[in-house]
Amino acid sequence: EIVLTQSPGTLSLSPGQRATLSCRASQSVSSNSLAWYQQQPGQAPRLLIFGASNRATGFPDRFSGSGSGTDFTLTITRLEPEDFAVYYCQQYGTSPLTFGGGTKVEIK
Amino acid sequence: QLQLQESGPGLVKASETLSLTCTVSGGSISSRSYYWGWIRQSPGEGLEWIGSIYYTGSTYYNPSLKSRLTISVDTSQNQFSLKLRSVTAADRAVYYCARLGYFDVWSGDPYKWFDPWGQGTLVTVSS
Repeated sequence: EIVLTQSPGTLSLSPGQRATLSCRASQSVSSNSLAWYQQQPGQAPRLLIFGASNRATGFPDRFSGSGSGTDFTLTITRLEPEDFAVYYCQQYGTSPLTFGGGTKVEIK
Repeated sequence: QLQLQESGPGLVKASETLSLTCTVSGGSISSRSYYWGWIRQSPGEGLEWIGSIYYTGSTYYNPSLKSRLTISVDTSQNQFSLKLRSVTAADRAVYYCARLGYFDVWSGDPYKWFDPWGQGTLVTVSS
């Protein structure tokens, strides 16, 4: 199975700063079949990005996804208070579908 | 707006069967365009895909759970269900149901992202 490693585990930033989250796969993710989710405390994950770079409905353009093969990045250009959450990547190119361990973006 | 809601016992005895149902509202589970899935989240294991089902009953399971797992669909009730047998403490988790991303019947690739998700239900295993 494809193992997804997210780094850093925790990112401590201030509102207005730029966040760069990494998701590295143990083998190439076919067809850029990678998604990102945002999870707020006590809530279900919410789809943020699919197809590595396609933003889901409801998320502003300060969120962007990039990457291919084994290295993917989620960038939040200017953190807003509501962006502080845990972010997960997920690959769906190969069964079993797998998730990364998450990156917590916390207020510094 | 499509909504999913998990239901079932929050406490299961070890070695017994965990049974959950996901009720879909605001859309039809019989749509040819989507698979439906189960995911769980535990502190130790993080997020784990359990399996997915199509309205025809076609299923895909995580190999790590396949020997204990049955996912079924009831199109008349707009529901799909999960049964996990012989549970242990390791099965304690929040269980989510979700719809998978658009399924192209011509390509036949059932593996997609998850959107939207139900709110989740915590299942605890007692000894």
